[in-house]
Amino acid sequence: DAGVIQSPRHEVTEMGQEVTLRCKPISGHDYLFWYRQTMMRGLELLIYFNNNVPIDDSGMPEDRFSAKMPNASFSTLKIQPSEPRDSAVYFCASSFTSGGVTDTQYFGPGTRLTVL
Amino acid sequence: GENVEQHPSTLSVQEGDSAVIKCTYSDSASNYFPWYKQELGKRPQLIIDIRSNVGEKKDQRIAVTLNKTAKHFSLHITETQPEDSAVYFCAANGPARQLTFGSGTQLTVLP
Repeated sequence: DAGVIQSPRHEVTEMGQEVTLRCKPISGHDYLFWYRQTMMRGLELLIYFNNNVPIDDSGMPEDRFSAKMPNASFSTLKIQPSEPRDSAVYFCASSFTSGGVTDTQYFGPGTRLTVL
Repeated sequence: GENVEQHPSTLSVQEGDSAVIKCTYSDSASNYFPWYKQELGKRPQLIIDIRSNVGEKKDQRIAVTLNKTAKHFSLHITETQPEDSAVYFCAANGPARQLTFGSGTQLTVLP
């Protein structure tokens, strides 16, 4: 298995532009998580999905952020309009729930976003 | 919601010595406690985890202990090597499979 795949790996954009980050979870996994990592705030959970349905988006910083999961193999995180304070590494992670037990989250390589 | 505190934020040890990182959590319903290692510029990767039905788990030079009564768990690395240098994160699960992460410990192993 290729693991969790994210694209792009690096994104540099100007303030006000729309940014779309993409994630392909591990095949067969039923949970997908989006995280943001910064030096100041550490690793923050933004939103997560179970079987393509958003479960909790309370970590999304504001309305400029949105996420979708149209099918089991693809998710997007969109920022519109982007601001310099959105600069961070964004990770996607997926996991498989077996017998109602929390299982390991596997992280993608991340997208390093820089907003100028 | 769950709150996870991690200490220390930085830790330097001599090669061959042991390193201990401690975490506390707030939600008594948490029952899954993974530890992740993140090297510079890389993704967090699971190194060991423990569930609430055991008090200790070992994997070669790495061990994790859990005290559910006190709501704390610790990572122990013995015979540290330079390649152990990284940031280590603890985490605890919430009621809906999500994880809350600690703030991280930068471990430096000095040769």
